Amino acid sequence: RKEVEQDPGPFNVPEGATVAFNCTYSNSASQSFFWYRQDCRKEPKLLMSVYSSGNEDGRFTAQLNRASQYISLLIRDSKLSDSATYLCVVGLNDYKLSFGAGTTVTVRA
Amino acid sequence: GAVVSQHPSWVICKSGTSVKIECRSLDFQATTMFWYRQFPKQSLMLMATSNEGSKATYEQGVEKDKFLINHASLTLSTLTVTSAHPEDSSFYICSAPAGGVYNEQFFGPGTRLTVL
Repeated sequence: RKEVEQDPGPFNVPEGATVAFNCTYSNSASQSFFWYRQDCRKEPKLLMSVYSSGNEDGRFTAQLNRASQYISLLIRDSKLSDSATYLCVVGLNDYKLSFGAGTTVTVRA
Repeated sequence: GAVVSQHPSWVICKSGTSVKIECRSLDFQATTMFWYRQFPKQSLMLMATSNEGSKATYEQGVEKDKFLINHASLTLSTLTVTSAHPEDSSFYICSAPAGGVYNEQFFGPGTRLTVL
């Protein structure tokens, strides 16, 4: 079983729509959680950390459910520039990160 | 914010040659750096943890004699792909911990290696 599993998508949505997707992780000892964004042929860039209480950053909302071991990301009012692959990333306590394969989002005009 | 650079950004080489990739932390010191590899449409896979002043720690299945890692200073780690073959063609990315924020890391821009 993969450590981090994501729905690969693609999610193809019109501008202004809301899109949401999840990922699940297998190691219950995981301590840190992130969403990264990766554009084609580029390095991942941190979108937001995910906290137990859930957190919001502008149009992006992340939720963490430790009991069910899943993390979600919701994007409101989608922009064309939100088109990217979103990586679910989970960390243990030694700085090692486990990456999901990514969920592809395409926002169309 | 902190920046991690990689050099070269892309490289094409013949099968059998060795390729060195550099990862530098530009405005901070990194006693630990990480090397990842990403094949098309796949996730980043951690290859090894590079430790300044000591041997690298390799993940299961990664050949340490093929992927030589040297963390020569607090700002530089190098990955050498020895006797590269076409199956080594991939996107190699390094990262360094951000320090203050637990597990947050800064990623280099990546090196795209193509072995002919």
